[in-house]
Amino acid sequence: GQSLEQPSEVTAVEGAIVQINCTYQTSGFYGLSWYQQHDGGAPTFLSYNALDGLEETGRFSSFLSRSDSYGYLLLQELQMKDSASYFCALGETGGFKTIFGAGTRLFVKA
Amino acid sequence: DTGVSQDPRHKITKRGQNVTFRCDPISEHNRLYWYRQTLGQGPEFLTYFQNEAQLEKSRLLSDRFSAERPKGSFSTLEIQRTEQGDSAMYLCASSSPQGGNEQYFGPGTRLTVT
Repeated sequence: GQSLEQPSEVTAVEGAIVQINCTYQTSGFYGLSWYQQHDGGAPTFLSYNALDGLEETGRFSSFLSRSDSYGYLLLQELQMKDSASYFCALGETGGFKTIFGAGTRLFVKA
Repeated sequence: DTGVSQDPRHKITKRGQNVTFRCDPISEHNRLYWYRQTLGQGPEFLTYFQNEAQLEKSRLLSDRFSAERPKGSFSTLEIQRTEQGDSAMYLCASSSPQGGNEQYFGPGTRLTVT
């Protein structure tokens, strides 16, 4: 089956850089997405990698390596408002299902 | 457009009752997803619609769950004979073919089964 693994928690200091890793097992997928979810809120889309390499969107970057079954989300210049849960997700080929990881809770300290 | 909306936002029901939730996607989005999320977990895929056609349903979903999207616009998710294990946040998301993989989520319906 398909599965994604992420660290359950990460703590970092305001202004720092943090990397959230995601490893996956799948028989085939279109690409890897990242979503942010604040407590009590809905997930919001951050980034998508269809191909290997780095995608940059402002302070957020995402990376994918299909050969290593691995991706990461990089958050730069951390702000207190970045404290949230971050989910990696992949869209299966041969179907329409999106599988989400269990999420990484990021705590940003002053 | 104000985004994806869901109704009700909260529902408390007794075990054994039926409940129905509604999702209104972004108007030009033809793709619609239902997910279930419990505390500390990621959204769990339930079902997918493309226009009015239900093209995929999770094998984990019991027969007590059914979803419709009769005119390819809003969708409903019904849970029959609710159980305490059904307590969760039910999320709806929509996307367009032009939007790539980006899904827009609604605020969710929090279901509590007592």
